[in-house]
Amino acid sequence: GENVEQHPSTLSVQEGDSAVIKCTYSDSASNYFPWYKQELGKRPQLIIDIRSNVGEKKDQRIAVTLNKTAKHFSLHITETQPEDSAVYFCAADTGNQFYFGTGTSLTVIP
Amino acid sequence: GAVVSQHPSRVICKSGTSVKIECRSLDFQATTMFWYRQFPKQSLMLMATSNEGSKATYEQGVEKDKFLINHASLTLSTLTVTSAHPEDSSFYICSARAGLGSTDTQYFGPGTRLTVL
Repeated sequence: GENVEQHPSTLSVQEGDSAVIKCTYSDSASNYFPWYKQELGKRPQLIIDIRSNVGEKKDQRIAVTLNKTAKHFSLHITETQPEDSAVYFCAADTGNQFYFGTGTSLTVIP
Repeated sequence: GAVVSQHPSRVICKSGTSVKIECRSLDFQATTMFWYRQFPKQSLMLMATSNEGSKATYEQGVEKDKFLINHASLTLSTLTVTSAHPEDSSFYICSARAGLGSTDTQYFGPGTRLTVL
């Protein structure tokens, strides 16, 4: 089955700096890659996603890149703000189910 | 985005009792619903996938007789934790997907915090 690895597990950045979270996957059949943000005690919220026919997607301060050959995809958050502090999960979808990464706890220091 | 509700949000029960959790898609028909379990500071672990009108598909290591899943309609799935024990205490989250294809995202419910005494 699919195996998704996510790094780093924790990340602290100064407000205004950029944050990058990386994920790798193993199943070449995966063709949809969403990113979720989860605040403490709340549900995961979709923040951005990318499909396998696209290499990069951007939505304001958030961007995701996908390298299908290398089987990795990354989340980029620019001009970070304290409200960006949360746990971020990547996922890979094989068509049947999501396989989640282990999560990255992001702390933005004011 | 689509709205998924989950009820109850919190439940405390005694060991040996059964607990039912409901997951509803409010503004779309969910062909597929997923049930996840999440321990503190850990990722979401898929327990089972359910399609409306058919038996749920359980992940390896998940006891289907303990975690009963019923997807009775396109807007409702239920998870029943039978004979709950303290080790079943966890955060249970459902999600729903509208389409059958791999390009349809999942929308998550708010989760249910189960505490078994």
